[in-house]
Amino acid sequence: EVQLLESEGGFVQPGGSLRLSCAASGFTFSNSAMSWVRQAPGKGLEWVSAISAGASGTYYSDSVRGRFTIFRDDSKNTVYLQMNSLRDDDTAMYYCAQRALHAEQKWGQGTLVTVSS
Amino acid sequence: QSVLTQPPSVSAAPGQKVTISCSGGSSNIGSGYVSWYQQLPGTAPKLLIYENNKRPSGIPDRFSGSKSGTSATLDITGLQTGDEADYYCGVWDNSLSAYVFGPGSQVTYL
Repeated sequence: EVQLLESEGGFVQPGGSLRLSCAASGFTFSNSAMSWVRQAPGKGLEWVSAISAGASGTYYSDSVRGRFTIFRDDSKNTVYLQMNSLRDDDTAMYYCAQRALHAEQKWGQGTLVTVSS
Repeated sequence: QSVLTQPPSVSAAPGQKVTISCSGGSSNIGSGYVSWYQQLPGTAPKLLIYENNKRPSGIPDRFSGSKSGTSATLDITGLQTGDEADYYCGVWDNSLSAYVFGPGSQVTYL
């Protein structure tokens, strides 16, 4: 069974940084692309970033490009999202997802990030 | 503002059919594979349909997807209580080099 477990989010001030992690199990992690998707309170889904298998490609939404970095450690079956220069509008539930067959196949339970002064 | 368009809400009586549309353009739906996701209140999204019309294991055949040109459709037949949720379409956009979700459609009972 595929399991994706995000690290605990947290409360951070505007301009601050936070790193999220997502530990994967139940599939061959090194062969799978991974994504991060977020959802602001009461809003719809917003795709944030993705990383290909082998980390040969990384992709970002315009809203986070230059501030967020996605990377992976296949030896730990873990994908990360380093978030810098955080803004109020980055406040959201952040979901990790396994990406395959042109879709976000499996999702974690999500972790809440709150950016506020 | 999403590059994809969905109706904000759709309703139907129990047992009836619901159709949710997702409209895009040539750089996304017109050239890519559409997926559909269900999000029940307070839970993480779940994949319902991938590659336009394929169902993951465990998804009942009451859920079906189709694509034509720059639009896609999710049909839910035999609407049940547990189907009340938000539904999102998603597709890769070649112009943006990013995955995009529709704004979501809330399905409710009449």
